[in-house]
Amino acid sequence: DIQMTQSPSSLSASVGDRVTITCRASQGISNSLAWYQQKPGKAPKLLLYAASRLESGVPSRFSGSGSGADYTLTISSLQPEDFATYYCQQYFSTPPWTFGQGTKVEI
Amino acid sequence: QVQLQQSGPGLVKPSQTLSLTCAISGDSVSDNSAAWNWIRQSPSRGLEWLGRTYYRSKSYNDYAVSVRSRITINPDTSNNLFSLQLTSVTPEDTAVYYCARSPLLNYDILTGYYNVNAFDIWGQGTMVTVSS
Repeated sequence: DIQMTQSPSSLSASVGDRVTITCRASQGISNSLAWYQQKPGKAPKLLLYAASRLESGVPSRFSGSGSGADYTLTISSLQPEDFATYYCQQYFSTPPWTFGQGTKVEI
Repeated sequence: QVQLQQSGPGLVKPSQTLSLTCAISGDSVSDNSAAWNWIRQSPSRGLEWLGRTYYRSKSYNDYAVSVRSRITINPDTSNNLFSLQLTSVTPEDTAVYYCARSPLLNYDILTGYYNVNAFDIWGQGTMVTVSS
């Protein structure tokens, strides 16, 4: 199985800050990488897919980059509604699809 | 728009069978362009993909190795839903269970699988506790 490692596991930030979360796969995944946002008691919400493509309706302050095994989620200017937990997930080639352990963004 | 509505009991006794359903609106379980997945989330295991069902002229399933001997995912075309059954549950199966859609893309002749996209639509989640 492909292992996904996110860092950091948590971070403290303020409104207006630029925030960066990284995700490393145990092998190259050819941009088959998604980012999700999850708030307490809710299902994960898809933010980006194919490493850098913004899901419809997601604000443009969210962006993704990377290639091979290393990927990054950036929030350009943190808003109050962005305080949540973020997960990366690979969907490369064959099942099983796997998730990172999450990054909690706190005030 | 596409919505997934989960239903099922929140408490299951050890050794019994966990059964959940996911009703689809705005799409079809027999749609050739989507796979229908079950995913669970627990503090100890994080987000864990359990399995999926999809149609390409007939129904197919894929399951995670960790639950392969205990899991069944069935499509119900009459009611446009899909179900999860997990047998012989233990407290380790206590988790929030989600259903989710993943679009199917092109067929990869090298792997014998259809490439997929991310999980774009999720159910609301069902907290299932395994306890006597």
